[in-house]
Amino acid sequence: DQQVKQNSPSLSVQEGRISILNCDYTNSMFDYFLWYKKYPAEGPTFLISISSIKDKNEDGRFTVFLNKSAKHLSLHIVPSQPGDSAVYFCAAKLSGSARQLTFGSGTQLTVLP
Amino acid sequence: KAGVTQTPRYLIKTRGQQVTLSCSPISGHRSVSWYQQTPGQGLQFLFEYFSETQRNKGNFPGRFSGRQFSNSRSEMNVSTLELGDSALYLCASSFTQGTEAFFGQGTRLTVV
Repeated sequence: DQQVKQNSPSLSVQEGRISILNCDYTNSMFDYFLWYKKYPAEGPTFLISISSIKDKNEDGRFTVFLNKSAKHLSLHIVPSQPGDSAVYFCAAKLSGSARQLTFGSGTQLTVLP
Repeated sequence: KAGVTQTPRYLIKTRGQQVTLSCSPISGHRSVSWYQQTPGQGLQFLFEYFSETQRNKGNFPGRFSGRQFSNSRSEMNVSTLELGDSALYLCASSFTQGTEAFFGQGTRLTVV
């Protein structure tokens, strides 16, 4: 049973436009959410996170939105750059589980020049 | 500040053998977690160590084990390797009070 789902395996966006990556979860006990970016042959790189007590967190070009009632979060990248092309993973942490993360299956973002 | 270092980067083993992977966390980080990444199953949590103690364990058979040393370096061991153990094994370290995990480049294990 996949508790964290990224239903879009791939997304293509024009350079300069907004990229929106989506993630859904089923377990209401998740209390912290993270986004990672991964290039081939490298480990995932931490991008941005959000606590379940918030509904938005911004860091430069990256903004994460959390809708707890819908059990949905999204990552917005504005403006998108070719260097953003990578696989993006959504991850969630269970309340009381210090650092065990449950990952989604990832979305391949391609930013076209 | 050096990142998380995993060795070796690539490894080829024969079915039935055992393997040990190493992870050096970011300086000052005391938590080390291990994940397995496969095309079919994505990134799956193996276990977490903190202060030389296993804190959490994922749903993997007992052939997968680990340990952490007093300097926070960690090793992961897989015994009686199976073809299905072929994967990218990722180590991540975290601050004591932090949730964000910082990953190494991984060890690509191929079992033939």
